[in-house]
Amino acid sequence: DIQMTQSPSSLSASVGDRVTITCRASQSISSFLNWYQQKPGKAPKLLIYAASSLQSGVPSRFSGSGSGTDFTLTISSLQPEDFATYYCQQSDSTPWTFGQGTKVEIK
Amino acid sequence: EVQLVESGGGLVQPGGSLRLSCAASGFTFSSYWMHWVRQAPGKGLVWVSRINSDGSSTSYADSVKGRFTISRDNAKNTLYLQMNSLRAEDTAVYYCARSERFWSGNYYYYYMDVWGKGTTVTVSS
Repeated sequence: DIQMTQSPSSLSASVGDRVTITCRASQSISSFLNWYQQKPGKAPKLLIYAASSLQSGVPSRFSGSGSGTDFTLTISSLQPEDFATYYCQQSDSTPWTFGQGTKVEIK
Repeated sequence: EVQLVESGGGLVQPGGSLRLSCAASGFTFSSYWMHWVRQAPGKGLVWVSRINSDGSSTSYADSVKGRFTISRDNAKNTLYLQMNSLRAEDTAVYYCARSERFWSGNYYYYYMDVWGKGTTVTVSS
């Protein structure tokens, strides 16, 4: 199985900050990488697919990059509604696997 | 409105069975692959299973293989997860999700673009 490792596991940031979350795959997954946002008690929401494609309706302050084994999710200017947990997920091969999550908290 | 609504969760004893349902609306259900994903209390997301559009192909996480069965009824626009021999570690919120795909010109990229709100399964004596 492909292991996905996110860093950091949590971070504290202020509104307006630029935030970067990293995801590393245990083997090359090309660009088969998706990012989701989850708020407490809610279902996950797709943000980015195919490593860098922004899902319809998602604000442009979210962006994704990377290929192979190393990927990043960037929030260019953190907004109050962005405080949540973020997960990367590979769709290169089954079983699909998620990173452990990165919790973005208010500083 | 595109929507997925899960049902069938509840409290079950270890070794028991439960069948989850996921009712789809607002899109052509029979055209999409579908997934189940679960989340144990306070933990991360874990992919459980997927089924192709006509139900002829399925895949499972090792942790549920041989105990869980995914299926679908395209006439009823409904996805199912039959869970047998349940264990305490199966306790989780179970989400169904639609699998969309994007053609880049070289590859199809797959992702889960629509999610239900989840149904809670608790395995305890």
